[in-house]
Amino acid sequence: AQKVTQAQTEISVVEKEDVTLDCVYETRDTTYYLFWYKQPPSGELVFLIRRNSFDEQNEISGRYSWNFQKSTSSFNFTITASQVVDSAVYFCALKGYTGGGNKLTFGTGTQLKVEL
Amino acid sequence: EAGVAQSPRYKIIEKRQSVAFWCNPISGHATLYWYQQILGQGPKLLIQFQNNGVVDDSQLPKDRFSAERLKGVDSTLKIQPAKLEDSAVYLCASSPRLRGAYNEQFFGPGTRLTVL
Repeated sequence: AQKVTQAQTEISVVEKEDVTLDCVYETRDTTYYLFWYKQPPSGELVFLIRRNSFDEQNEISGRYSWNFQKSTSSFNFTITASQVVDSAVYFCALKGYTGGGNKLTFGTGTQLKVEL
Repeated sequence: EAGVAQSPRYKIIEKRQSVAFWCNPISGHATLYWYQQILGQGPKLLIQFQNNGVVDDSQLPKDRFSAERLKGVDSTLKIQPAKLEDSAVYLCASSPRLRGAYNEQFFGPGTRLTVL
């Protein structure tokens, strides 16, 4: 069975602060994919990043960076110099590759509030 | 390129009534998904179609929920009769194909259902 845990329910920061959103996952698959999605108040899930289980290189995209550590089954997401527009719910998700299909298992999300 | 379209955006019904949601995926996308997102939780897959065939409906409450994708394009999700616990956002997503290394799912804005 697959499981994604986002222990932080809500985080509040002041604009320009750095913030890290934690994600811990469980899977028996040796090949799997990890995702982060952003859900603004409009409700639509916006894809941010995908990482496969064989690629442990960290990635940076503008103010966003991701730290994948297979040894601790974690895939954490850092926003540098946060902005009010970053306020949203962020979901970490996992897709196993065994058996085919494309079923995503989501965590419960972290509500990020960035205030002026 | 147009995104995933869903209607209605909001629906309020009384318990025991019926309701239907509509989804139009991105043109050319073979795989379509319906998710249920209860407040404070991550999306949960209800059903997954490949063209007009069902790939996974293991988490669909089949005594009251039904879904179809007759021509392999649009899809409808129906609840009959609705219960209070069905109050949630129903998200539709599509992806180009069922399997593949980079098989990103694109989400629609969702339909927010309130059952009174």
